[in-house]
Amino acid sequence: AQTVTQSQPEMSVQEAETVTLSCTYDTSENNYYLFWYKQPPSRQMILVIRQEAYKQQNATENRFSVNFQKAAKSFSLKISDSQLGDTAMYFCAFMKRAGAQKLVFGQGTRLTINP
Amino acid sequence: GAGVSQSPSNKVTEKGKDVELRCDPISGHTALYWYRQRLGQGLEFLIYFQGNSAPDKSGLPSDRFSAERTGESVSTLTIQRTQQEDSAVYLCASSLKAVYNEQFFGPGTRLTVL
Repeated sequence: AQTVTQSQPEMSVQEAETVTLSCTYDTSENNYYLFWYKQPPSRQMILVIRQEAYKQQNATENRFSVNFQKAAKSFSLKISDSQLGDTAMYFCAFMKRAGAQKLVFGQGTRLTINP
Repeated sequence: GAGVSQSPSNKVTEKGKDVELRCDPISGHTALYWYRQRLGQGLEFLIYFQGNSAPDKSGLPSDRFSAERTGESVSTLTIQRTQQEDSAVYLCASSLKAVYNEQFFGPGTRLTVL
């Protein structure tokens, strides 16, 4: 079975700063996907960024980028130039490439951006 | 087009009652997922439907939980004889097909069992 661990329950930074959220996972699979989801108070889960395990290049989406270390099973999210609207719960998630495409989530990190 | 919708938004029930939660996926999405999110926790997979294939029920926590889906449309999650530990937000997601496609989530139903 796969497990996803987020070791930072809460983080807080000032607006415009850079923040990094940590995620580690455990799996025996070789082909899989990793994701970061954002959940604001509205409860709506929003995909922030995804990484395919067979790609060595780290994924980037505007101010969001990841540091994917496959051997270490680490998948951190970096948010640059943080904005007030980035305040939310952030969840790291894993999906096997084969079989049922269910997501396995970490416990989440509550991120607060202060003005 | 419209996103995934869920109803009701909130449901309060008494212990021992049955509840039905509804999910309307995005039109054309063949895959549908149910997840449960307990307070302050991540999402836990419950059940997955893909087209006409047998559903993957491996995440259902007990036989009090069941779900149905009619074709590639609406799904209903039923919880019988609700218990206080069933209190959670129940989220539905749909995707275009089973082999990786982004899962689009609904706003969830917050279930409170008194």
